[in-house]
Amino acid sequence: DVKVTQSSRYLVKRTGEKVFLECVQDMDHENMFWYRQDPGLGLRLIYFSYDVKMKEKGDIPEGYSVSREKKERFSLILESASTNQTSMYLCASATPWPGGSPLHFGNGTRLTVT
Amino acid sequence: AQKITQTQPGMFVQEKEAVTLDCTYDTSDPSYGLFWYKQPSSGEMIFLIYQGSYDQQNATEGRYSLNFQKARKSANLVISASQLGDSAMYFCAMREGKITGNQFYFGTGTSLTVIP
Repeated sequence: DVKVTQSSRYLVKRTGEKVFLECVQDMDHENMFWYRQDPGLGLRLIYFSYDVKMKEKGDIPEGYSVSREKKERFSLILESASTNQTSMYLCASATPWPGGSPLHFGNGTRLTVT
Repeated sequence: AQKITQTQPGMFVQEKEAVTLDCTYDTSDPSYGLFWYKQPSSGEMIFLIYQGSYDQQNATEGRYSLNFQKARKSANLVISASQLGDSAMYFCAMREGKITGNQFYFGTGTSLTVIP
């Protein structure tokens, strides 16, 4: 069964800490994505990567960075966590367009910044 | 402008009845795909159904069908014979066929509650 694994289900960090959210997929997908999910706002794209070492900003990249050194791993970094980054973070992967390949999601990381 | 619009924050449906969840989209790309996802209270995102912009027929997957009206740019999800387990958040998403990017755009979701 295809799998996207996020390293933590729940995470509590303090303001100002550097936070790493890790995501690994075993489907050999070129494209990987980080979304943030907040009630009433749906899923908003933070960053995505269409290949190793390649990255593109999404709709809300401020305060975040990413790293993709290997095809299967896509990391989201909060350089200095703030309380407004408390949210659910979803990692996903997919094959490139064209085609009807859906996004495959991890189970999410609920991050609380205090 | 919003790429995906879901105008129903919450919906109720009686068990065994059919329900339609609305989704409109905005794109100038002739090649795109439309997706629906279900998110139960457990939080996992479950892929339900896909419709390509060039597909002639409406997509169907079991009790799920996608009412695709290209001229109106709508891609409504129809769930037939609702079950209690259908209670969840439902998200509509679009992927455009651009050379770079390959982004998926999501709507704000519709919370569906199935009433026994």
